Amino acid sequence: DQQVKQNSPSLSVQEGRISILNCDYTNSMFDYFLWYKKYPAEGPTFLISISSIKDKNEDGRFTVFLNKSAKHLSLHIVPSQPGDSAVYFCAARQIQGAQKLVFGQGTRLTINP
Amino acid sequence: DTEVTQTPKHLVMGMTNKKSLKCEQHMGHRAMYWYKQKAKKPPELMFVYSYEKLSINESVPSRFSPECPNSSLLNLHLHALQPEDSALYLCASSQVGVPVKETQYFGPGTRLLVL
Repeated sequence: DQQVKQNSPSLSVQEGRISILNCDYTNSMFDYFLWYKKYPAEGPTFLISISSIKDKNEDGRFTVFLNKSAKHLSLHIVPSQPGDSAVYFCAARQIQGAQKLVFGQGTRLTINP
Repeated sequence: DTEVTQTPKHLVMGMTNKKSLKCEQHMGHRAMYWYKQKAKKPPELMFVYSYEKLSINESVPSRFSPECPNSSLLNLHLHALQPEDSALYLCASSQVGVPVKETQYFGPGTRLLVL
């Protein structure tokens, strides 16, 4: 039972445009969400997070939107840069039992010059 | 500084060998984690240590034995592994006690090949 889903295995975007990565979850007990970026042969790097009491969190070029009623979140990257090419994982956890992080399958983002 | 270090970077072992993976952090985090990641799959949680005590074991086979000697170090002892255990093993650490601050920071991983 996949509780966190990233339905797009890959996404290709032109440099300078907006990249939108999507994530859906099924467990209504999740109330904290994170995005990680992963380059090959490296560990995941934390990007940005959002608590379920908010619907938007912004950090520089990265913005995460949360739609609790739809159990959907998205990561917007604007403008996209070649260095953004990586695999992006959405992750979720419950505030109680916060140590258990559940990851989506990942989306490979490629930024074309 | 959000650095978690792992050694070795690569490890090749036979099914009868005993080896250990090591993880270290100096961020003052009191929770440390082991994850396993297979190719094209997300990381899967194996173990969590909180204040040097094992708090979560995700039904991992006993051929994997974790150890937390102190708050900065985490080991994963490997014995009698199978070829299907070949994967990237990731260590992470986080604060404990303030849930919204418990972001997990990952090390670069150890790529393990079992022959």
